Amino acid sequence: QQPVQSPQAVILREGEDAVINCSSSKALYSVHWYRQKHGEAPVFLMILLKGGEQKGHEKISASFNEKKQQSSLYLTASQLSYSGTYFCGTDSGGGADGLTFGKGTHLIIQP
Amino acid sequence: KAGVTQTPRYLIKTRGQQVTLSCSPISGHRSVSWYQQTPGQGLQFLFEYFSETQRNKGNFPGRFSGRQFSNSRSEMNVSTLELGDSALYLCASSPGALLGYGYTFGSGTRLTVV
Repeated sequence: QQPVQSPQAVILREGEDAVINCSSSKALYSVHWYRQKHGEAPVFLMILLKGGEQKGHEKISASFNEKKQQSSLYLTASQLSYSGTYFCGTDSGGGADGLTFGKGTHLIIQP
Repeated sequence: KAGVTQTPRYLIKTRGQQVTLSCSPISGHRSVSWYQQTPGQGLQFLFEYFSETQRNKGNFPGRFSGRQFSNSRSEMNVSTLELGDSALYLCASSPGALLGYGYTFGSGTRLTVV
């Protein structure tokens, strides 16, 4: 079952902060976050593993609540380059079923 | 370091035909996964190959198949194409098991079925 992302879309001014949420109905082994710009491939941002380990970019932070099967991506002091669609991908099968992606959050950063 | 290379970038096929898409992963990466991206369904998992073996398969009909070669390059094949197969097909490379690594995606093959 597809994780639910919120909000669906958000418009920010440069320098503002944003939080994108991802919620699953299944117990999760890991949560992945990707950003996709129009006409381009998704780009890996971060992976959060069960047990607390995180791997990803220094300027991106995220949290993973294993009990609630929820993850949040925090974008601080947003830059124009942060614009794009953000996807969370969840792994509930220990890698057995690939990633199940949410429908995405469209983020627009205005100058 | 070269990225993930997918060929061709664009493809137009007629309903009923078959198509083969190719993916060369990052050197040293042994896992290749394939995803279908459409505006309606989003990103959906097709299958994953690791060391020439299909490890996992998503919920797609048997018309969708793939394989991986000893050099980790992968191909996916779609037979008896339907209009609904029109999509962006993305190949994702990772060093190993999904749990511990993120994907590096290729630019994709845009398939249009007419």
